[in-house]
Amino acid sequence: GAVVSQHPSWVICKSGTSVKIECRSLDFQATTMFWYRQFPKQSLMLMATSNEGSKATYEQGVEKDKFLINHASLTLSTLTVTSAHPEDSSFYICSAKLAGSSYNEQFFGPGTRLTVL
Amino acid sequence: AQSVTQLDSHVSVSEGTPVLLRCNYSSSYSPSLFWYVQHPNKGLQLLLKYTSAATLVKGINGFEAEFKKSETSFHLTKPSAHMSDAAEYFCVVSDPYSSASKIIFGSGTRLSIRP
Repeated sequence: GAVVSQHPSWVICKSGTSVKIECRSLDFQATTMFWYRQFPKQSLMLMATSNEGSKATYEQGVEKDKFLINHASLTLSTLTVTSAHPEDSSFYICSAKLAGSSYNEQFFGPGTRLTVL
Repeated sequence: AQSVTQLDSHVSVSEGTPVLLRCNYSSSYSPSLFWYVQHPNKGLQLLLKYTSAATLVKGINGFEAEFKKSETSFHLTKPSAHMSDAAEYFCVVSDPYSSASKIIFGSGTRLSIRP
């Protein structure tokens, strides 16, 4: 149980285009989802916290107009990288917190490798 | 404020020998602590978690960790390393009473296994 999927697993796009990444909790409801960014050989950096039905909360230094997050249902959150540039190339990982969980355990998706040319 | 420190950025051991990955935490409250493993270009897999029950926690693949409040440590161990254990390991701390539900990642420890 507690499986999180991400789609696509990898994407290559041209500079200036927008890319949408989907994060789904397959067998549980997630009122809260998180988006992380990971650069090579580094730890995960929290970008934003996404709550179903409300606006996402962005971490300091993350441009909310560039990284659009939508959490329209209890099983789906999307991250759209708008007007992507090569410096946005990274590994993006989402996670989901089980609704009602007391321990803040997060279940992670397999990640999406974004390469911007 | 919470924080977590992984004391070694890289650990290399021979196959069949014990593994020790060190983690120290700082928390104002009784924390929840987790160890995750990440294989190259993959997502994170939970190895084990401490949530204020037994201080010695057993996880998957033969890993275990001991919560030591007096030392503010949560070191990960395995009696005998296997080649498939080569990966990046993250120690994570969480305040279970935080409404933000955030978790804090350590910087990671890369585990290499020598044949």
